Amino acid sequence: QEQLQESGPRLVRPSETLSLACSVSGGSINTRTCYGGWIRQPPGKGLEWIGTIFRSGNTYYNPSLKSRVTISADTSKNQFSLKLSSVTAADTAIYYCATCDSTSWSKFDPWGQGTLVTVSS
Amino acid sequence: QSVLTQPPSASGTPGQRVTISCSGSSSNIGSRAVTWYQQLPGTAPKLLVYSNNQRPSGVPDRFSGSKSGSSASLAISGLQSEDEADYYCAAWDDSLNGVVFGGGTKLTVL
Repeated sequence: QEQLQESGPRLVRPSETLSLACSVSGGSINTRTCYGGWIRQPPGKGLEWIGTIFRSGNTYYNPSLKSRVTISADTSKNQFSLKLSSVTAADTAIYYCATCDSTSWSKFDPWGQGTLVTVSS
Repeated sequence: QSVLTQPPSASGTPGQRVTISCSGSSSNIGSRAVTWYQQLPGTAPKLLVYSNNQRPSGVPDRFSGSKSGSSASLAISGLQSEDEADYYCAAWDDSLNGVVFGGGTKLTVL
């Protein structure tokens, strides 16, 4: 079973760029048609999909975040990454990465443990 | 306001059967597979049901999913205290070109 681990700064200043990486162990992302996705959860609230990246290079982003989001992959490091620009306090959330399934695009399994990113000056 | 609509809460007593609904539209549940996740307190979501009614290995058969038209349901039979968690439905939305989640249902075992 693959395991995923998010890494990156836990504190980001307003207007700056949030950057997180998702390292995958126990399997190569290059064998997958769908590499992975990012999902976030503001404290005490529900889940919000951020975006998904495919081996083809295609990426799909939440329309409400699309202008600020970039998801990329580095197969040599067996990881995929998230960049969210111009952050505000509303972007404070637990950020999860998860591997995706090309046959069912809402199926994410497994998930990383999540990392709380706080946007504050 | 979530694209998929779930009741905010549900409850039941041990051994009981409970059902959680998820209402969508023709652009998501009506045309795409539904996925259900379970989130225990303080943990990451876990895949519970995919492709409307398929269970990953390790998920007890007490959990079952179904879909009819633009609505889906998650049923939990033989309710146990450890089932107390938040449950989320999800589906791809062809109009939004992205994944949409329900707002989540907090299940309390009385």
